[in-house]
Amino acid sequence: NAGVTQTPKFQVLKTGQSMTLQCAQDMNHNSMYWYRQDPGMGLRLIYYSASEGTTDKGEVPNGYNVSRLNKREFSLRLESAAPSQTSVYFCASTNPGGYEQYFGPGTRLTVT
Amino acid sequence: DQQVKQNSPSLSVQEGRISILNCDYTNSMFDYFLWYKKYPAEGPTFLISISSIKDKNEDGRFTVFLNKSAKHLSLHIVPSQPGDSAVYFCAAYRTGTASKLTFGTGTRLQVTL
Repeated sequence: NAGVTQTPKFQVLKTGQSMTLQCAQDMNHNSMYWYRQDPGMGLRLIYYSASEGTTDKGEVPNGYNVSRLNKREFSLRLESAAPSQTSVYFCASTNPGGYEQYFGPGTRLTVT
Repeated sequence: DQQVKQNSPSLSVQEGRISILNCDYTNSMFDYFLWYKKYPAEGPTFLISISSIKDKNEDGRFTVFLNKSAKHLSLHIVPSQPGDSAVYFCAAYRTGTASKLTFGTGTRLQVTL
């Protein structure tokens, strides 16, 4: 039981490049989330998926897109990376009707 | 508008003493409050939670207190240990919001020998 896994762990992009961050959970959770963590800003919600087939914007969605591929997988795409997207990205999931979220280990992204 | 605030970015406590981490919130509709612990290069892990209808919840060395009238909660760690050194995030949840959490900015706790 791996919990929530994220790939890659680290990534360096040039401004304008695109990439997809992958997230998968094996806990049969319905809801999945993408956060970014920046110094002094805490964890801010980018997008979430309450259930398979649905996605919604969070607090800071601009510059990102998501895909809920199936119940297990939720990916985050940066179409044209900007230096302001340099951050640590966390994926999380939760039980149906629950509030305790389980987090992956994070992806550290640097955009130069 | 920051609905969950942790006004102390850092805290240093001696081993064996009590650590008190504070959190304030503005939205009286929150139903649950959670504390997460985060080590460097790892994801946050759930530590303890409290329902809005309670004023205290205890789990071993960790106790969370909720003062609804003041919209304030605190996490007490007694006794503090070096392994408790981490960043602690306060989070709040409102029923019916797709299990979304609203996080504070975090407090870095350092437990010294």
